[in-house]
Amino acid sequence: DIQMTQSPSSLSASVGDRVTITCRASQSISSYLNWYQQKPGKAPNLLIYAASSLQSGVPSRFSGSGSGTDFTLTISSLQPEDFATYYCQQSYSTPPATFGGGTKVEIK
Amino acid sequence: EVQLVESGGGLVKPGGSLRLSCAASGFTFSSYNMYWVRQAPGKGLEWVSSISSSSSYTYYADSVKGRFTISRDNAKNSLYLQMNSLRAEDTAVYYCARDSDYGDYVHDYWGQGTLVTVSS
Repeated sequence: DIQMTQSPSSLSASVGDRVTITCRASQSISSYLNWYQQKPGKAPNLLIYAASSLQSGVPSRFSGSGSGTDFTLTISSLQPEDFATYYCQQSYSTPPATFGGGTKVEIK
Repeated sequence: EVQLVESGGGLVKPGGSLRLSCAASGFTFSSYNMYWVRQAPGKGLEWVSSISSSSSYTYYADSVKGRFTISRDNAKNSLYLQMNSLRAEDTAVYYCARDSDYGDYVHDYWGQGTLVTVSS
């Protein structure tokens, strides 16, 4: 199975900050990388698919990049509603479609 | 509007059984592969099981293989997860999710989740 490693596991940031989250795959997954946002008590919400494609309805301050084994999710200007946990997921070699361990974005 | 609504969670003793359901609406259910994904309390997301649109293919995580069975009824727009021989480590919120149009295992809609607690 492909292992997905996210870093950091948590971070503190202020409104307006630029935030970058990294996800690394244990082997090449081309661009089969997706990002989800999850708020407490809620289901995950798809933000980015295929490494860099923005899901419909997702604000443009979210962007994704990378290919192969290294990927990033960037929030260009952190908003109050962005405080949440973010998960990467590979959909290259399935099943299983493995998730990263998550990155919790907290208010500084 | 696409909706996925899970039900059937609850408290069950170790070794017991539970059947989860997921009622789908707002899309052509029979055209989509469907999934169960779980999340243990305070932990990350874990894929549990998948079923193809016509039930031709089913897949399971190693952690549930032989104990859980996924099924669907396209006439009733419903997805199911039969869980047997439950263990404490199966305690989690269970989400049903569908494929997006962007590829397999890319989930654009999720249910609200149903909590399964395995405890004596």
